[in-house]
Amino acid sequence: GAVVSQHPSWVICKSGTSVKIECRSLDFQATTMFWYRQFPKQSLMLMATSNEGSKATYEQGVEKDKFLINHASLTLSTLTVTSAHPEDSSFYICSAKTGLTNTEAFFGQGTRLTVV
Amino acid sequence: GENVEQHPSTLSVQEGDSAVIKCTYSDSASNYFPWYKQELGKRPQLIIDIRSNVGEKKDQRIAVTLNKTAKHFSLHITETQPEDSAVYFCAARDAGGGNKLTFGTGTQLKVEL
Repeated sequence: GAVVSQHPSWVICKSGTSVKIECRSLDFQATTMFWYRQFPKQSLMLMATSNEGSKATYEQGVEKDKFLINHASLTLSTLTVTSAHPEDSSFYICSAKTGLTNTEAFFGQGTRLTVV
Repeated sequence: GENVEQHPSTLSVQEGDSAVIKCTYSDSASNYFPWYKQELGKRPQLIIDIRSNVGEKKDQRIAVTLNKTAKHFSLHITETQPEDSAVYFCAARDAGGGNKLTFGTGTQLKVEL
């Protein structure tokens, strides 16, 4: 299967600072990338969908000014958590897919964010 | 939007027994239904998927069935092994909805020796 690499795997930051998470498709062009958040023992909740070269589409209840998404190339999308607070501590996972229909999306390994 | 419900939330079986996890979805436009296995702290791994033009699919010990009319689909694991212990998520995707997946709430499967 295709490879999606996400970095960092874990990060600890202080309240009020910003953290950037990268999601890269290593061997295919990712027209669409998805960002999920997963709290302990809960399901994956979609935060936003980003298409290369376009503004991200955010799910209801997700603050676009707090979770900045950039998808400037076909192999890289970034999620920046701005002014992080302890309640933002979570497991953030990206997935990426090509522009072809009926193809699966591939997940990155996730980023464990802890805000102290 | 799509709503996916998953049951049970926890499932404990004896090694060698079968395990069944059920999901229902709300959007009749959904046409792709993957199942993921997630171990603690790791990424979800696709274990099997089914498209809406198929009623059943099998891959060794794992099978998935889909009932489009009733809008439900199920995961069947036979001859369970301890390494099958994990959290399993079902999902549904609407091709017309930006290809986004809506996940079920997850099932913690524990296979006991």
